[in-house]
Amino acid sequence: DGGITQSPKYLFRKEGQNVTLSCEQNLNHDAMYWYRQDPGQGLRLIYYSQIVNDFQKGDIAEGYSVSREKKESFPLTVTSAQKNPTAFYLCASHGTRANYGYTFGSGTRLTVV
Amino acid sequence: DQQVKQNSPSLSVQEGRISILNCDYTNSMFDYFLWYKKYPAEGPTFLISISSIKDKNEDGRFTVFLNKSAKHLSLHIVPSQPGDSAVYFCAATLRTGNQFYFGTGTSLTVIP
Repeated sequence: DGGITQSPKYLFRKEGQNVTLSCEQNLNHDAMYWYRQDPGQGLRLIYYSQIVNDFQKGDIAEGYSVSREKKESFPLTVTSAQKNPTAFYLCASHGTRANYGYTFGSGTRLTVV
Repeated sequence: DQQVKQNSPSLSVQEGRISILNCDYTNSMFDYFLWYKKYPAEGPTFLISISSIKDKNEDGRFTVFLNKSAKHLSLHIVPSQPGDSAVYFCAATLRTGNQFYFGTGTSLTVIP
């Protein structure tokens, strides 16, 4: 079955540490996205990538970094510079047809301890 | 600045009745709109969409209405079922673009 896999589902990080969230898709989609969900704030775009080896900052990119070395993979690193990293992180991908919007992964809950 | 807004954070409806979820947008250039359904600790799943050339799209119990002059869309669920209890996000985009703009979500509770 085609889809997006995010891992891990739950992640705990100590303050001052960097942590990387994995996102893999086998849908052959060109575009991939990272969103953050906080209560009462909906989904906010962190970074997106429309092709391999290229990515763009979203609305809240500060304290995050990404890479897109392969079409299938778009990992997100939450750095120690991110002041409030505790959130639910969603990865999504998008094909050439807009009709069905994004396909989302099941998310990663990051908690800073 | 929030380009897509859902002003009701929560809604409770009796089973069998109609649920109406509302969404407003500010960018008149948006030409494609979607609704997503999200359960806790899961990613959103696509529910229904509508193009700006239409004012209504229906899929089973779900109907989306678009009022372009008011920059408003709504999702009607009838009859509502307990399994519909979830958070619903509306989203908008330009067909020529790749980025979707999401509302803040409405948590629907269907009471048995």
